[in-house]
Amino acid sequence: DAKTTQPPSMDCAEGRAANLPCNHSTISGNEYVYWYRQIHSQGPQYIIHGLKNNETNEMASLIITEDRKSSTLILPHATLRDTAVYYCTAETSYDKVIFGPGTSLSVIP
Amino acid sequence: DTGVSQDPRHKITKRGQNVTFRCDPISEHNRLYWYRQTLGQGPEFLTYFQNEAQLEKSRLLSDRFSAERPKGSFSTLEIQRTEQGDSAMYLCASSLGVTGATEAFFGQGTRLTVV
Repeated sequence: DAKTTQPPSMDCAEGRAANLPCNHSTISGNEYVYWYRQIHSQGPQYIIHGLKNNETNEMASLIITEDRKSSTLILPHATLRDTAVYYCTAETSYDKVIFGPGTSLSVIP
Repeated sequence: DTGVSQDPRHKITKRGQNVTFRCDPISEHNRLYWYRQTLGQGPEFLTYFQNEAQLEKSRLLSDRFSAERPKGSFSTLEIQRTEQGDSAMYLCASSLGVTGATEAFFGQGTRLTVV
């Protein structure tokens, strides 16, 4: 599996966009970028995934660089409920999810 | 609620006792995963099933751990002769497991405390 690296923590003001970076410089051509988040004491929750193109859903947007070596998860209007640990992973579609330490996002009022 | 349910949510046991956890995945999902998570760490992969077949086991899964998924539906994770180091959150997840990117859906976990 490709190894991903993320900053250990970030702060974001409530109502502003939260931009969470992820590096995956060794990603293979058939590996997707997935994002999950984990709110305290709950199981991880799927957010979004992509292969090459940028993706958007009701929760977030995913921007993947053209060389696919990095990506950014964007929460357009962060709320206090978005405070969580965010995990970026790179997996094939048939493989297990391997989690790193993730980024602890704190949304500040 | 993701549709993946785990039972019990909390378990306190004495060192040396055996414990068993149950996971009910989303009904049409043929892949089922078990993870363990300790405080401040990301979830660590333990094992996964494709239907009833156990396809991969992590080196973290010592001989005291065993997982089953009879008939490819629910799964159980048993820990024999529990140790204090087994105290953790045990997470179950399921996915469709078909060609094409599919996300994993996680349950709320079973928190094990070994005293």
